[in-house]
Amino acid sequence: AIQLTQSPSSLSASVGDRVTIACRASQGISVSLAWYQQNPGRAPKLLIYSASRLQTGVPSRFSGGGSGTEFTLTISSLQPEDFATYYCQQVHVYPLTFGQGTRLEIK
Amino acid sequence: EVQLLESGGKVVQPGGSLTLSCVGSGFTFSSYAMNWVRLAPGKGLEWVSSVNNAGDGPQYAPSVRGRFTISRDNSRDTLYLHLTSLKFEDSATYHCAKTFQPYSSGPGTLDFWGPGSLVTVS
Repeated sequence: AIQLTQSPSSLSASVGDRVTIACRASQGISVSLAWYQQNPGRAPKLLIYSASRLQTGVPSRFSGGGSGTEFTLTISSLQPEDFATYYCQQVHVYPLTFGQGTRLEIK
Repeated sequence: EVQLLESGGKVVQPGGSLTLSCVGSGFTFSSYAMNWVRLAPGKGLEWVSSVNNAGDGPQYAPSVRGRFTISRDNSRDTLYLHLTSLKFEDSATYHCAKTFQPYSSGPGTLDFWGPGSLVTVS
């Protein structure tokens, strides 16, 4: 199975900060990568698909990049509602796999 | 508006079984592959199973293969997950999720998710 490693595992930041989360795949997956946001007790929300495409309705402060084995999720200016846990997921082959998650906390 | 709503979660003893259901609305259910993903307390998201729009070619995570069965009834816009031989480590909130592209035969992005149904093995 393809392993995804996210870094950092947790991150403290302030409203207005720019933050970047990295996701590394154990083998090449082209651009078959998605990013999700999850808040406790709520359904995960799709943010980015195909590595860099913004899902409809997602604010433009979110952006994704990368291909092959190295990917990033960037939030250009943190808003209060952005403090959540973020996951990358490869959709290149079965079994689908997720990164371990990055918890974004308020500093 | 796309909506997914899971049900059937409960407390079950180790070795027991149950069936989860997920009803979809706001989209043409029969056109989309569907998935189950779980979130255990204190852990991360784990993909469990997927099935194509026709109900063929189910896929399973190694951790559940041989114990869980995914199925669907397109006449009822409903997805199912039958869980058997349950273990403590199967305790989690189980989410159903819709695949982004219609008629996809392979893996796909999950664009809408339900709020989940809690399964506790104890």
